Amino acid sequence: GAVVSQHPSRVICKSGTSVKIECRSLDFQATTMFWYRQFPKKSLMLMATSNEGSKATYEQGVEKDKFLINHASLTLSTLTVTSAHPEDSSFYICSARPTGHNSYEQYFGPGTRLTVT
Amino acid sequence: QKEVEQNSGPLSVPEGAIASLNCTYSDRVSQSFFWYRQYSGKSPELIMSIYSNGDKEDGRFTAQLNKASQYVSLLIRDSQPSDSATYLCAAQNYNQGGKLIFGQGTELSVKP
Repeated sequence: GAVVSQHPSRVICKSGTSVKIECRSLDFQATTMFWYRQFPKKSLMLMATSNEGSKATYEQGVEKDKFLINHASLTLSTLTVTSAHPEDSSFYICSARPTGHNSYEQYFGPGTRLTVT
Repeated sequence: QKEVEQNSGPLSVPEGAIASLNCTYSDRVSQSFFWYRQYSGKSPELIMSIYSNGDKEDGRFTAQLNKASQYVSLLIRDSQPSDSATYLCAAQNYNQGGKLIFGQGTELSVKP
């Protein structure tokens, strides 16, 4: 149980285009999902907290107009990187916290590797 | 001071030995703590969670929490080469929406 998928797993796009990444909880509902990015040899950096049916909460320094987050259902959150630039190239990982559980464990998706050329 | 600190390593242990990974945190109101394992190029995988002072054992893994000292550790018994990975410690504060604060990770290498 507690499986989270991400799509696509790898994407290459040209500078100036937008890319959408999907995060799905496959066998549980998740009121809250999180989006992280990770640079090589670095730890995970939380970008935003995504809550179903409400606006995402962005961490300090993360541009909300550049990284659009939509959490339209209890099993799906999307991250759209708008007008991507080479510096947006990174490993983007989502996590999901099961709804209704007493614990606050988070389960991670497999990640999406974005390369902007 | 970083909120969650770990030695970056690399920590090298021989196969069959006990690997000891340590983590300290600065926020006294953190309630939950997690250890994740991350293989190169992959996303983190949850291996242990601990909420109360003391030890929690799961197979070859034992997590230890000491809230007075703000210290969390992970012991891996009978280390195997397949345990070679980066181990991430994370602290969680329910009052901050449950978000995780990660340490920088400790790279573990288990030599055959």
